[in-house]
Amino acid sequence: DTAVSQTPKYLVTQMGNDKSIKCEQNLGHDTMYWYKQDSKKFLKIMFSYNNKELIINETVPNRFSPKSPDKAHLNLHINSLELGDSAVYFCASSQVEGDEQYFGPGTRLTVT
Amino acid sequence: ELKVEQNPLFLSMQEGKNYTIYCNYSTTSDRLYWYRQDPGKSLESLFVLLSNGAVKQEGRLMASLDTKARLSTLHITAAVHDLSATYFCAVGFPGTYKYIFGTGTRLKVLA
Repeated sequence: DTAVSQTPKYLVTQMGNDKSIKCEQNLGHDTMYWYKQDSKKFLKIMFSYNNKELIINETVPNRFSPKSPDKAHLNLHINSLELGDSAVYFCASSQVEGDEQYFGPGTRLTVT
Repeated sequence: ELKVEQNPLFLSMQEGKNYTIYCNYSTTSDRLYWYRQDPGKSLESLFVLLSNGAVKQEGRLMASLDTKARLSTLHITAAVHDLSATYFCAVGFPGTYKYIFGTGTRLKVLA
């Protein structure tokens, strides 16, 4: 029944490793997003996708590579992890651009 | 630089009291969103305001938008403990798929 789901919920890894976060929405929405929430709770949009196509890349380092295999899925792969990548990553979706967004439960990434 | 500022950043209030959270933004937009985040949890949509003068109410919360002043308010009436959370406003820009979130207001309602 979960509308927007993410896996894993927690991710602890060492610097230099590569990791992926998966997101799935069962709402039939066209648009999906990735956000980063830092330790001060500040939320920043990273990527916006519409119907599997990348619309926005908000000056995110190219170590971050999103992939949308279909409208319901948006995954995030991160190469060569750095300490500063530690944060909570939220996936979200909306019916169309401009609608309210439905957020996933978040993935807490800790890089040591 | 595009900015969305909320104040106060922290708010501690007694149950039964009224208060207002302010969201100011630095560039023209007529799309404003309010979200709630409980500690360690995800964000939940509260209101979507899509035009100047829009007002929406749900329970003890009422949100309004003044696009000319670039200001949105979230008014809390007769606060209860269950309203304790962090509240974010976000500004949207039609056609851009871009959203800028405010700094968040951490609300604590004391019994």
